[in-house]
Amino acid sequence: TQLLEQSPQFLSIQEGENLTVYCNSSSVFSSLQWYRQEPGEGPVLLVTVVTGGEVKKLKRLTFQFGDARKDSSLHITAAQPGDTGLYLCAGVSPRTQGGSEKLVFGKGTKLTVNP
Amino acid sequence: DARVTQTPRHKVTEMGQEVTMRCQPILGHNTVFWYRQTMMQGLELLAYFRNRAPLDDSGMPKDRFSAEMPDATLATLKIQPSEPRDSAVYFCASGGSGKTLLLSQEKLFFGSGTQLSVL
Repeated sequence: TQLLEQSPQFLSIQEGENLTVYCNSSSVFSSLQWYRQEPGEGPVLLVTVVTGGEVKKLKRLTFQFGDARKDSSLHITAAQPGDTGLYLCAGVSPRTQGGSEKLVFGKGTKLTVNP
Repeated sequence: DARVTQTPRHKVTEMGQEVTMRCQPILGHNTVFWYRQTMMQGLELLAYFRNRAPLDDSGMPKDRFSAEMPDATLATLKIQPSEPRDSAVYFCASGGSGKTLLLSQEKLFFGSGTQLSVL
């Protein structure tokens, strides 16, 4: 079973601060996705990174896929209270012989941005 | 806006009862996933379907869980008999426009989940 470890598990910061959350694995993934989940709702896809070393920006959010496609990071600049939520990374495991691709999730980083 | 619809939103039942959760994927999507979320385990993949055929259900306890897609507009997840350890939020997600068979190229949309409590 391929595992994705996310760190930190919890993060509480003040509005305006920068932060980075990490998603690490010993396995290689075909691609990696980042989601944000708010209480009582399902995860919402933020971005998909596919190529090793790829960097994608979404306003104040910067996503990076590791060169070896085993890890990823999410950096938020000048965090705002609206960024509060559970950030989940999910990796697509390569198709195995006789098997199928799978989308496996990390347990998430719960971010709180205080006004 | 197109969205994945899950019913019921909340379900409280007693141990031993049958539970059926329903999901209406986004029209035109050909891939449907069932996930279970708990504080301890996070999101766990139970099963997924492509073009209504089960592709993987290795994460699902086969003795009590079953997942089906009677048609392209409905996916069901049943638990019989239910147990307290099944208490969790169950999510359905859909994706895939049919243009690709690669999961890495699909964008998934999640429903709001069914919060199940088994007493």
